[in-house]
Amino acid sequence: QQQVKQSPQSLIVQKGGISIINCAYENTAFDYFPWYQQFPGKGPALLIAIRPDVSEKKEGRFTISFNKSAKQFSLHIMDSQPGDSATYFCAGIHQGGSEKLVFGKGTKLTVNP
Amino acid sequence: NAGVTQTPKFRILKIGQSMTLQCTQDMNHNYMYWYRQDPGMGLKLIYYSVGAGITDKGEVPNGYNVSRSTTEDFPLRLELAAPSQTSVYFCASSYRHRETQYFGPGTRLLVL
Repeated sequence: QQQVKQSPQSLIVQKGGISIINCAYENTAFDYFPWYQQFPGKGPALLIAIRPDVSEKKEGRFTISFNKSAKQFSLHIMDSQPGDSATYFCAGIHQGGSEKLVFGKGTKLTVNP
Repeated sequence: NAGVTQTPKFRILKIGQSMTLQCTQDMNHNYMYWYRQDPGMGLKLIYYSVGAGITDKGEVPNGYNVSRSTTEDFPLRLELAAPSQTSVYFCASSYRHRETQYFGPGTRLLVL
């Protein structure tokens, strides 16, 4: 199985709060885990990515936490802003040579002012 | 660089009609992809290509065809449109398969 399960499906956060989106994967051969951000009417764009040899990666207000033993990873958005309102997709791809990025179903984040 | 461009932006088709969704990238990327996005279902890979002349099926290829005659272009063909093909279609490209995929702005297709 190559599923990536993402939760929650939707999330409402107040401005300044922390947004947390969780993903779990099944294929232990996955070796690259990107997060994509999609604004309404636009195509997804890479936000941040992590490889399983590190437990955390931080870029500005966005942090990926990675738990290899649990096969889980999460996106934390600190000090969430209304401009962060978008749909977020986690994804994974495995090292077996497949060219197929497997996406989660997405989380619609709304940050209220 | 324009990145990944897609045309048209929106199209209404009648059942049984055919059409081609155009995708062009100017980043000299080897890999190109077609996805469909349905509400709450994420992105499903339709077809992908690892270079000119090479294409392969993704997760949901039925009802679609592709070709890759040049590095830049990767058109998606719908031969007999069905209501189930109502969706938003995204084309993407990447230099290598484990690197960032760059997405186009999408084509919204409505089949009635």
